[in-house]
Amino acid sequence: DQQVKQNSPSLSVQEGRISILNCDYTNSMFDYFLWYKKYPAEGPTFLISISSIKDKNEDGRFTVFLNKSAKHLSLHIVPSQPGDSAVYFCAARRIQGAQKLVFGQGTRLTINP
Amino acid sequence: DAGITQSPRHKVTETGTPVTLRCHQTENHRYMYWYRQDPGHGLRLIHYSYGVKDTDKGEVSDGYSVSRSKTEDFLLTLESATSSQTSVYFCAISDPDGSPQHFGDGTRLSIL
Repeated sequence: DQQVKQNSPSLSVQEGRISILNCDYTNSMFDYFLWYKKYPAEGPTFLISISSIKDKNEDGRFTVFLNKSAKHLSLHIVPSQPGDSAVYFCAARRIQGAQKLVFGQGTRLTINP
Repeated sequence: DAGITQSPRHKVTETGTPVTLRCHQTENHRYMYWYRQDPGHGLRLIHYSYGVKDTDKGEVSDGYSVSRSKTEDFLLTLESATSSQTSVYFCAISDPDGSPQHFGDGTRLSIL
């Protein structure tokens, strides 16, 4: 049972435009959500997060939106740059406890010049 | 860099042999985790530790064991490796303060 889903395996965006990556979850007990970025042969690196008490969090070019009623979150990158080409993972957890992460399958983002 | 070292970085071994992967941290973080990454599955939690000698199972723990005798080291052991355990393994660390987990660069393990 996939509790966190990223339904788009890949996304191609032109440099300078907006990239929107989507993520859905099924477990209503999740109250903290994170996005990680991963380059080949490296570990995932933390990008941005949001708690369930908010609906938006912004950090420079990156904004995460949370729609709790729809159990949906999205990551917006604007403007997209070639260095943004990577695999992006959505992850969820409960704030309390051992902070175990449940990951989506990942979306490969390619930024075209 | 978060001060996490995984060793070895690459390993090829045969079915039925024991394998131990090591995660070493210099951050003195209390929590440590082992994940595996497979196509179509993202990362899945194998085992985690919330302190020295305190460990628990994750989502895909069958066939794996762990040990944590010191804060800085978390070992993952495959007692008798199978081809289904061919994967990339990532270690992560965090603290109880809720800060995001930080990951090592992974170990690519191939079981032939």
